[in-house]
Amino acid sequence: AQSVTQPDIHITVSEGASLELRCNYSYGATPYLFWYVQSPGQGLQLLLKYFSGDTLVQGIKGFEAEFKRSQSSFNLRKPSVHWSDAAEYFCAVGLYNQGGKLIFGQGTELSVKP
Amino acid sequence: DSGVTQTPKHLITATGQRVTLRCSPRSGDLSVYWYQQSLDQGLQFLIQYYNGEERAKGNILERFSAQQFPDLHSELNLSSLELGDSALYFCASTPPGFNYGYTFGSGTRLTVV
Repeated sequence: AQSVTQPDIHITVSEGASLELRCNYSYGATPYLFWYVQSPGQGLQLLLKYFSGDTLVQGIKGFEAEFKRSQSSFNLRKPSVHWSDAAEYFCAVGLYNQGGKLIFGQGTELSVKP
Repeated sequence: DSGVTQTPKHLITATGQRVTLRCSPRSGDLSVYWYQQSLDQGLQFLIQYYNGEERAKGNILERFSAQQFPDLHSELNLSSLELGDSALYFCASTPPGFNYGYTFGSGTRLTVV
């Protein structure tokens, strides 16, 4: 069965420090992968997506993610975190053979220390 | 503003009641997806419509139903509500084709008391 695992429920980093949020997926075919961010009381905003091609994907707000097929991973990174990055982050896999629905991980809550 | 409009933003209702959540997709988008977000289940796919037709179904309860109208807006109907139905309900829309340009609305927070 398809699934997405985000091993870290909560991460705290200092402002200006680097960030890596982990995501592992289980899917039988080439995955379509996404990272979304959700601020409190808000909807989900797409940070970046991977369909094919270059395995290093650039997104909005200075985020990037790297697709590693051998590790079934799609980790999200940012070199320098800003206080405004505090939010919940969701990794998702898109099932293009099932109408395109998204399967989400459980999310990682990011706190930023001043 | 993402372009996907969900109404109402908040809804408080009693157990056993029925409610309707509405979603207007982004202009030009034909697909609408409904998701439920709860603390214990996370984000769960409920159902998808494409240009008025049901395309995919997820873990949607029999008490729940949805439809997409000719103007492409969609409604999610929740009936015989239980306390456990309290959650944030999101819809997302995508354009024609298959490029996964999901745009999410800001959600409807349903509280069942």
